[in-house]
Amino acid sequence: QKEVEQDPGPLSVPEGAIVSLNCTYSNSAFQYFMWYRQYSRKGPELLMYTYSSGNKEDGRFTAQVDKSSKYISLFIRDSQPSDSATYLCAMKPGTSYGKLTFGQGTILTVHP
Amino acid sequence: EAGVAQSPRYKIIEKRQSVAFWCNPISGHATLYWYQQILGQGPKLLIQFQNNGVVDDSQLPKDRFSAERLKGVDSTLKIQPAKLEDSAVYLCASSLDTGHYGYTFGSGTRLTVV
Repeated sequence: QKEVEQDPGPLSVPEGAIVSLNCTYSNSAFQYFMWYRQYSRKGPELLMYTYSSGNKEDGRFTAQVDKSSKYISLFIRDSQPSDSATYLCAMKPGTSYGKLTFGQGTILTVHP
Repeated sequence: EAGVAQSPRYKIIEKRQSVAFWCNPISGHATLYWYQQILGQGPKLLIQFQNNGVVDDSQLPKDRFSAERLKGVDSTLKIQPAKLEDSAVYLCASSLDTGHYGYTFGSGTRLTVV
């Protein structure tokens, strides 16, 4: 069983739709939860960061963490064609030297 | 601020040949990471440096891969000899220190082994 599971999609939605991306994990030591966006032929860029459980909102993006269910989500409101990319969830233990573990990535296409 | 620089962008080699990748992290970032991203998968950590010391190399295939970070700044990753399954994008990232969550990634080197 992989430490982090993410549905690879692909996911195709019309412009303006609400997008929901999800990951599950098995390692209870994970304390830091991140979402990265990766455009084609580019490196991942940090989109959202959450520590422990709870919600965090940044513009059209909302990240949710439910540690009791070992489940994290990213919601994108009013999706735009420029949101078309691969979205990677990533998690890190609370220890200083804990490594960042990524999910497989979900390919999202937002069509006009 | 300047981002993480990597070179070359693309490399095609034959199996059993050797190849080297270079990374220049963001100035002042103590921690440097090399990740391998196979097509359709998430990045997998190969090695993590804190300044010029190795913190984690548990997933580095040490029989063929080697990495160094001289003077705690630039880093090189080498593969010798390469196998077909090494075809992937090799991403370098850096962060202020090991406990920091904010990794900045370079654009990667796309390696094709034929």
